[in-house]
Amino acid sequence: RKEVEQDPGPFNVPEGATVAFNCTYSNSASQSFFWYRQDCRKEPKLLMSVYSSGNEDGRFTAQLNRASQYISLLIRDSKLSDSATYLCVAPLREGAGSYQLTFGKGTKLSVIP
Amino acid sequence: ETGVTQTPRHLVMGMTNKKSLKCEQHLGHNAMYWYKQSAKKPLELMFVYSLEERVENNSVPSRFSPECPNSSHLFLHLHTLQPEDSALYLCASSQDRKAVPGGELFFGEGSRLTVL
Repeated sequence: RKEVEQDPGPFNVPEGATVAFNCTYSNSASQSFFWYRQDCRKEPKLLMSVYSSGNEDGRFTAQLNRASQYISLLIRDSKLSDSATYLCVAPLREGAGSYQLTFGKGTKLSVIP
Repeated sequence: ETGVTQTPRHLVMGMTNKKSLKCEQHLGHNAMYWYKQSAKKPLELMFVYSLEERVENNSVPSRFSPECPNSSHLFLHLHTLQPEDSALYLCASSQDRKAVPGGELFFGEGSRLTVL
């Protein structure tokens, strides 16, 4: 069964905290995965791509564990503006050479003062 | 400011109405998508158009009918909808459908549909 699983949260963390989200996926041989961010009543926007070697962008670090089939997102020094829903996205195999981008339900993060 | 624009942003319709959602992308992309986002559910891919070829999710009811007259415009025609069809309908585009595993989806702000 094709699926992407995330803990829906909410994660309520104080400003300055470090928070990590995990996401598990099934049936993908893709080299890249994605984290999207969706603010309340807004559209999803790409936050980071995740490659086998991992990816770091400022306070955000994404890792891929292919053996265990999970992707992680680490946010350091949380800011109030980080409050959003984080969507894990995996290209899951549909057939020979064919993939469909499959979204998780999202993990809600609230950073509190 | 988004390169993908959707209209209307909000729509309320009765079950017997016929309406259409419109999407336009200004990014020069070759693939466009309709997604449905319901509360507490993941984004669900409804339709993909890539270089005028349509790929659809077989679970989408026939009361949803897409139209893609060119690579920049995408419509979703709605008729005899049900209250459970109330959701946020998101349009997206990407450079190329085959490149999607390594590429990025650009979403519009969505059309929030309420079916009474």
